[in-house]
Amino acid sequence: QKEVEQNSGPLSVPEGAIASLNCTYSDRGSQSFFWYRQYSGKSPELIMSIYSNGDKEDGRFTAQLNKASQYVSLLIRDSQPSDSATYLCAVNKGRRALTFGSGTRLQVQP
Amino acid sequence: GAGVSQSPSNKVTEKGKDVELRCDPISGHTALYWYRQSLGQGLEFLIYFQGNSAPDKSGLPSDRFSAERTGGSVSTLTIQRTQQEDSAVYLCASSLGVSNSNQPQHFGDGTRLSIL
Repeated sequence: QKEVEQNSGPLSVPEGAIASLNCTYSDRGSQSFFWYRQYSGKSPELIMSIYSNGDKEDGRFTAQLNKASQYVSLLIRDSQPSDSATYLCAVNKGRRALTFGSGTRLQVQP
Repeated sequence: GAGVSQSPSNKVTEKGKDVELRCDPISGHTALYWYRQSLGQGLEFLIYFQGNSAPDKSGLPSDRFSAERTGGSVSTLTIQRTQQEDSAVYLCASSLGVSNSNQPQHFGDGTRLSIL
């Protein structure tokens, strides 16, 4: 079992729809959770961080964390073609280096 | 600049040569990390520096890999006797690195290393 698991996709959604990206992690001691967006050929860009159970909203993005289920998700409302990228889930287990999932590729169709 | 700076952006070298990759973190960030990303793969942790503490080298794949951080700022990742499997994008990140683990990491643009 991978430490951080994501569906590789591609996840295809029409423009204006809600994109839902999911991530599960194996270590119950994980303390902080991050979503990064990576465009092809570019470096990861931090878009959301979440540390406690529940929802955290920032503009069109909402991160959701459920530590009991070891599950973290990212919702993107009103998806735009410019949101098309690979979304990386990253988990910090306390040693400060992040453990990354392999990413989900999102395609937003105009 | 305001972000993490890495150089060179691209490096092509012959198998068996040594390479040095440089990272200049965000000013004020005490924690510095090196990762690598192979084509189509996720990020693999290599090494972590925090202030004057001994680095966490647990991710280095072999003794051909080493890194140092001088003066608590700029870091150099060195790969000796390069092999073709070392071809990847090498990413550096930095964070505030305070006592808890919750500080987000910010990445540089990476060095794309190609071993011929």
